[in-house]
Amino acid sequence: AQTVTQSQPEMSVQEAETVTLSCTYDTSESDYYLFWYKQPPSRQMILVIRQEAYKQQNATENRFSVNFQKAAKSFSLKISDSQLGDAAMYFCAQQGGSEKLVFGKGTKLTVNP
Amino acid sequence: DTGVSQNPRHKITKRGQNVTFRCDPISEHNRLYWYRQTLGQGPEFLTYFQNEAQLEKSRLLSDRFSAERPKGSFSTLEIQRTEQGDSAMYLCASSLQGTDTQYFGPGTRLTVL
Repeated sequence: AQTVTQSQPEMSVQEAETVTLSCTYDTSESDYYLFWYKQPPSRQMILVIRQEAYKQQNATENRFSVNFQKAAKSFSLKISDSQLGDAAMYFCAQQGGSEKLVFGKGTKLTVNP
Repeated sequence: DTGVSQNPRHKITKRGQNVTFRCDPISEHNRLYWYRQTLGQGPEFLTYFQNEAQLEKSRLLSDRFSAERPKGSFSTLEIQRTEQGDSAMYLCASSLQGTDTQYFGPGTRLTVL
């Protein structure tokens, strides 16, 4: 069975600083995808970044980057130069062997001005 | 650009009543997914369609739940004889076959009194 664990229920960061959100996962699949989604309060889920497991290079999207450690089954998200608009719930998810996404419980990120 | 839309956005019903939700995917997307999200949790997969065929259903989808996508475009999710435990946010997502990214709608929040 696929599982995703986010061990930080809440995190906070000062505006313009850097924060890292943790995610570990478990899967028996050799080919899979990993995602970070952002869910602002009362707004819909938005894809932040995705990583293909067969690619060793860490994905980057502007201020967002991941640290993908395949052997350790770790997939952390780094947000640089944090902005007030980054405040949201962040969900780590994996997809493999099936089309469904398996999500973690989420990390609530607060950005302090 | 029209994203995934869901109606209604909110639904309050009494226990034992039937409810139906609608999801309209991004127009060219042939895959459509339903997830359920309870407070403080990540979304959990319910079912997904490829065109009009329902290809996978979760064990979470009890006999009281039924989903359809009759013409391969919009989808409906019906819950019969609602229970208080059905109270949740019901999320719809869509994707294009051959791609791995799912795009989410704003969700329908169901409250069962």
